Amino acid sequence: EVQLVESGGGLVQPGGSLRLSCAASGFTFSTYWMHWVRQAPGKGLVWVSRIDGDGNTIYADSVKGRFTISRDNAKNTLYLQMSSLRAEDTAVYYCARVIKAGLPLGYWGQGTLVTVSS
Amino acid sequence: EIVLTQSPDTLSLSPGERASLSCRASQSVSSNYLAWYQQKPGQAPRLLIYGASSRATGIPDRFSGSESGTDFTLTISRLELEDFAVYYCHQYGSSLITFGQGTRLESK
Repeated sequence: EVQLVESGGGLVQPGGSLRLSCAASGFTFSTYWMHWVRQAPGKGLVWVSRIDGDGNTIYADSVKGRFTISRDNAKNTLYLQMSSLRAEDTAVYYCARVIKAGLPLGYWGQGTLVTVSS
Repeated sequence: EIVLTQSPDTLSLSPGERASLSCRASQSVSSNYLAWYQQKPGQAPRLLIYGASSRATGIPDRFSGSESGTDFTLTISRLELEDFAVYYCHQYGSSLITFGQGTRLESK
């Protein structure tokens, strides 16, 4: 069974940093592209970033230069390093995996809440 | 970036009625890589439809998807109480994947 479990969320001051983790199990982690998607309170889904199995990355313009996605295939873990955080980064952050190549995101974690506030 | 615009923002219907949710893309969606998700409060999104019209595993056949050019539609043939939720369209055909802003389906 595919499982994705996020952790690392919490309260952080504007300008601060935080690292999210996503522990993956039930599949061969290294072979899948992994994504981060966020959802501000009461708002819609917004894609944040993606990393492929070789470590190539892509980011939404809103986080480019501030967030870094990475993965440790030996630990089956996905990361999102967030810095220079702003109030508008407040959201539930989900890690997600496609069902398979050519298909959309089909497996999601339960999400971890990041609150940026002084 | 492909912008997806959903309409209406809110749809108020009764159980047993038919629901039609719309999603318009700002440009062509490669290979009809358009999906629909259902999300309930406090839960992660649930995949309903992929490839514009294919139902995901375990999704009831009252859910269907269609496309006409850059216009996509999710239809729920006969609403059940469990269907009242927020629905998002999502394109995964470009490097920068995007979501629509969502349609809230509420019980009248």
